[in-house]
Amino acid sequence: KAGVTQTPRYLIKTRGQQVTLSCSPISGHRSVSWYQQTPGQGLQFLFEYFSETQRNKGNFPGRFSGRQFSNSRSEMNVSTLELGDSALYLCASSLGGQGAGNQPQHFGDGTRLSIL
Amino acid sequence: GQQVMQIPQYQHVQEGEDFTTYCNSSTTLSNIQWYKQRPGGHPVFLIQLVKSGEVKKQKRLTFQFGEAKKNSSLHITATQTTDVGTYFCAGPSYNQGGKLIFGQGTELSVKP
Repeated sequence: KAGVTQTPRYLIKTRGQQVTLSCSPISGHRSVSWYQQTPGQGLQFLFEYFSETQRNKGNFPGRFSGRQFSNSRSEMNVSTLELGDSALYLCASSLGGQGAGNQPQHFGDGTRLSIL
Repeated sequence: GQQVMQIPQYQHVQEGEDFTTYCNSSTTLSNIQWYKQRPGGHPVFLIQLVKSGEVKKQKRLTFQFGEAKKNSSLHITATQTTDVGTYFCAGPSYNQGGKLIFGQGTELSVKP
């Protein structure tokens, strides 16, 4: 069974640009969550999508948004990039019935985003 | 807000020594999960504990969930170099079940 696939693996952007990251969950998984990982703040929850709806949201500004498609694939968008957005962005999938907080999360390799 | 705290932040051990990391939540948790992230890798799910006082073992790893369901521990017996990585505990938000809150992690290094 294929794991969670994230593309691209690396991305370099400049301040003010926007970026879209993609995540394909494990087949059969309907919940997709996004996390930001930085050395200073650790792993922080961005949002969770289930059945094409945002089910939970973390404490990030509105510049961070996402969506989920009917095949459970998800995208995350960050607009007006800031230097502080440099991080590893991880996507995780789970079966989804009970909420991502109650089920094992299967993580992808992440997208390393660097803002210049 | 709700917090999940882990200690220690770093632990350096000699191969063969034991290792323990502790996790404490500011609120009661419905479950706690443990993950391991190797250097340069992504978090990998290790285990989920659900019951008060639960103890589970995976080979040299022993996981415990406290009686009050607010704390947990991971103990590794006779560490090996393959145990190197950062160990995270995580629990669901008390008011947003789909939000998983991670501890800061304990980074384990093992000297051969």
